[in-house]
Amino acid sequence: AQKVTQAQTEISVVEKEDVTLDCVYETRDTTYYLFWYKQPPSGELVFLIRRNSFDEQNEISGRYSWNFQKSTSSFNFTITASQVVDSAVYFCALSTWIYNQGGKLIFGQGTELSVKP
Amino acid sequence: DAGVIQSPRHEVTEMGQEVTLRCKPISGHDYLFWYRQTMMRGLELLIYFNNNVPIDDSGMPEDRFSAKMPNASFSTLKIQPSEPRDSAVYFCASGLGLVGQYFGPGTRLTVT
Repeated sequence: AQKVTQAQTEISVVEKEDVTLDCVYETRDTTYYLFWYKQPPSGELVFLIRRNSFDEQNEISGRYSWNFQKSTSSFNFTITASQVVDSAVYFCALSTWIYNQGGKLIFGQGTELSVKP
Repeated sequence: DAGVIQSPRHEVTEMGQEVTLRCKPISGHDYLFWYRQTMMRGLELLIYFNNNVPIDDSGMPEDRFSAKMPNASFSTLKIQPSEPRDSAVYFCASGLGLVGQYFGPGTRLTVT
């Protein structure tokens, strides 16, 4: 079975603090993809990043960085120098390839991040 | 590109009425997904299509729900008859396989 666990339901930080959102996944497949999405208060789901299971390189995009570790089945997301605009619910998701059926996203329950000024 | 387009953005209806939600995927994407988001259950996949063909509808809650994709640029999700427990935000997403699913703005449905 495939599963994504985001153990942190809510996180509250003060602006400029660094914050890490945890994501642990379960799958028996060797080929899979991991995603992070952001859902701001306006409600839309914004695609942030995709990683495939064969690429464990960490990625940095501005203040955002992602740490993928297959050994611990984790795909954590760090925001450096957080800003109020980072306040949102963040979802981690897993997709595995099913022959002739494409990929289905399995979402974690989300982590609500609140950044206070 | 305009992104995934959903209509209406908000829908309020009375129990027992038929509701139709609409989605226009990103041009060129071959997968289309319908999700439902509630506080209790989070984000749930309802159904998805590949090249307009329904592939997996195991997430559709019951026979009151149906979805169609008559062509590559349009899909509908219909609820008939609607019930208060169907109140949720319904998202449509499109993608090219595992490249990444891009979500529409969602339709907030309230059934009274």
